[in-house]
Amino acid sequence: DAGITQSPRHKVTETGTPVTLRCHQTENHRYMYWYRQDPGHGLRLIHYSYGVKDTDKGEVSDGYSVSRSKTEDFLLTLESATSSQTSVYFCAISELGAGENSYNEQFFGPGTRLTVL
Amino acid sequence: LAKTTQPISMDSYEGQEVNITCSHNNIATNDYITWYQQFPSQGPRFIIQGYKTKVTNEVASLFIPADRKSSTLSLPRVSLSDTAVYYCLVGDSSYKLIFGSGTRLLVRP
Repeated sequence: DAGITQSPRHKVTETGTPVTLRCHQTENHRYMYWYRQDPGHGLRLIHYSYGVKDTDKGEVSDGYSVSRSKTEDFLLTLESATSSQTSVYFCAISELGAGENSYNEQFFGPGTRLTVL
Repeated sequence: LAKTTQPISMDSYEGQEVNITCSHNNIATNDYITWYQQFPSQGPRFIIQGYKTKVTNEVASLFIPADRKSSTLSLPRVSLSDTAVYYCLVGDSSYKLIFGSGTRLLVRP
């Protein structure tokens, strides 16, 4: 398995508190992603990073911010958590492929289950 | 990114072959077709990827017709451990994948 860890694995917090989730990789992959997955749904991209200090928004970025100060770490912050942000959060990594035969897959971490009361 | 359509759920029995079809009418010339598998309480994992015709690996086969507007993931002789959600994705890189709701496969004894 790809070397991806997420911390914490489980967290319960209260509405209005800040929360930071950490994704750490040992693969030296360029791209890192944060997704959320809600019951019965597929994954939705929150933010992604294409290099150190280079990040961009995904399809559900409102209420979230990210930072990447080192290749191996990608942090997701909920500045003021809301109950609608209760979800399972997955981090993923990949290397950008170039050319027809170099498509590279995304490797996913184990997930963080966040509950906002 | 091309939109994909796949069945919401499928049931099968152990030992049977399972075929999950995905429709992607707006697939672009540079797009690949990729399937991911997700077990409960785990992140998705890559199963197979193809561009055209047929691709086979130790886990599955992927059949892609000449017009590439659909694809079929084939799982030979499924077991209970193949119960999972299967996602069909279309894109030209691993960058910014779009996951739909997937197909929930239930394998019964």
